[in-house]
Amino acid sequence: AQSVTQLGSHVSVSEGALVLLRCNYSSSVPPYLFWYVQYPNQGLQLLLKYTTGATLVKGINGFEAEFKKSETSFHLTKPSAHMSDAAEYFCAVNTNAGKSTFGDGTTLTVKP
Amino acid sequence: SAVISQKPSRDICQRGTSLTIQCQVDSQVTMMFWYRQQPGQSLTLIATANQGSEATYESGFVIDKFPISRPNLTFSTLTVSNMSPEDSSIYLCSVWGVQVNEQFFGPGTRLTVL
Repeated sequence: AQSVTQLGSHVSVSEGALVLLRCNYSSSVPPYLFWYVQYPNQGLQLLLKYTTGATLVKGINGFEAEFKKSETSFHLTKPSAHMSDAAEYFCAVNTNAGKSTFGDGTTLTVKP
Repeated sequence: SAVISQKPSRDICQRGTSLTIQCQVDSQVTMMFWYRQQPGQSLTLIATANQGSEATYESGFVIDKFPISRPNLTFSTLTVSNMSPEDSSIYLCSVWGVQVNEQFFGPGTRLTVL
């Protein structure tokens, strides 16, 4: 079984501030972990993924995430928020190819 | 990567009717997946469509409500039957990219039931 918990359904930051979106997972086997972004009325876009190897993964738009097995976490960060980062972010875990479990999502608001 | 197309992109339907959503992939895949995203919510897996066998449904989803066809390795359909307003959602087709360990999603079908 697998599950994902995203802490904080809404996160608000000022433009230029650090973005931190939290994701914790539960999995009985080594997981693949993903972050997706969804802009209003648009489809899912993959930001980054962890499968194996380096635990710090870099994605598009300046985002990165670190897989911490001991903490069962995969938090998403960006050093400096931009207005265009405002969107819904989903963390997902996959241990059975194609059958992903998604977190409830975090709405990121960026204040000018 | 995989390119996935879906038809229709959106529809508005009356309660009690049924809608069939088509999904086409540009490469042959063993399994195709159907997800639902209800308004303001996350994605939930409905079922896995295997070519040559019956679809496998997740808890809370049944074949009578969401019949699925998988006639070949590049195509699948999902029917939403006897619709109610609670079925208003985005329905997404998906495949798993074995070579890249990544999930690919179609653009989705936005369904509104009145």
